[in-house]
Amino acid sequence: AQSVTQPDIHITVSEGASLELRCNYSYGATPYLFWYVQSPGQGLQLLLKYFSGDTLVQGIKGFEAEFKRSQSSFNLRKPSVHWSDAAEYFCAVVNTGNQFYFGTGTSLTVIP
Amino acid sequence: DSGVTQTPKHLITATGQRVTLRCSPRSGDLSVYWYQQSLDQGLQFLIQYYNGEERAKGNILERFSAQQFPDLHSELNLSSLELGDSALYFCASSVGGENIQYFGAGTRLSVL
Repeated sequence: AQSVTQPDIHITVSEGASLELRCNYSYGATPYLFWYVQSPGQGLQLLLKYFSGDTLVQGIKGFEAEFKRSQSSFNLRKPSVHWSDAAEYFCAVVNTGNQFYFGTGTSLTVIP
Repeated sequence: DSGVTQTPKHLITATGQRVTLRCSPRSGDLSVYWYQQSLDQGLQFLIQYYNGEERAKGNILERFSAQQFPDLHSELNLSSLELGDSALYFCASSVGGENIQYFGAGTRLSVL
């Protein structure tokens, strides 16, 4: 069965510091993977996606993620965090039926 | 703005009542998805419609039902409401075969 694990419920970083949010997935075939961000009171916005090809994918707002099949991971990174990045981040895997399975999310706090 | 419109933004009702949530997908998108987001369950896929037909079913209760109309807007009907149904309900849409889903801002349902 498909599933996504985000081990970190909450992360706090200082503005300007680097960020890595962890995501591990369970899926039998080649996964389609996504990272979404949810700001307070807002819907989910797509940050980036991995379907195939280059395992390092670039997204919006300076985010990137690396697909590592051997580790079943798809970690999200940003070299320098801005205060506006404070939000909830969700990793997701989609199956062949186009059903999304979301992780429980990681809440990011950015301190000045 | 994702282009997906959900109404109403907030809904307050009493136990045992019935409500209808509405979703207008992005122009040209044929698929509509419904999700429930609660604190204890996270983001759960409920149901998907494609061009008026039910395509996939997730963790949707029998008290809940949905439909997609010829103009492609969708409605999620929640009946015999319980306190535990209080949650954010999101609608997402996609072109169809594409795996990228675009989310609306959600409807916050409070059952008192």
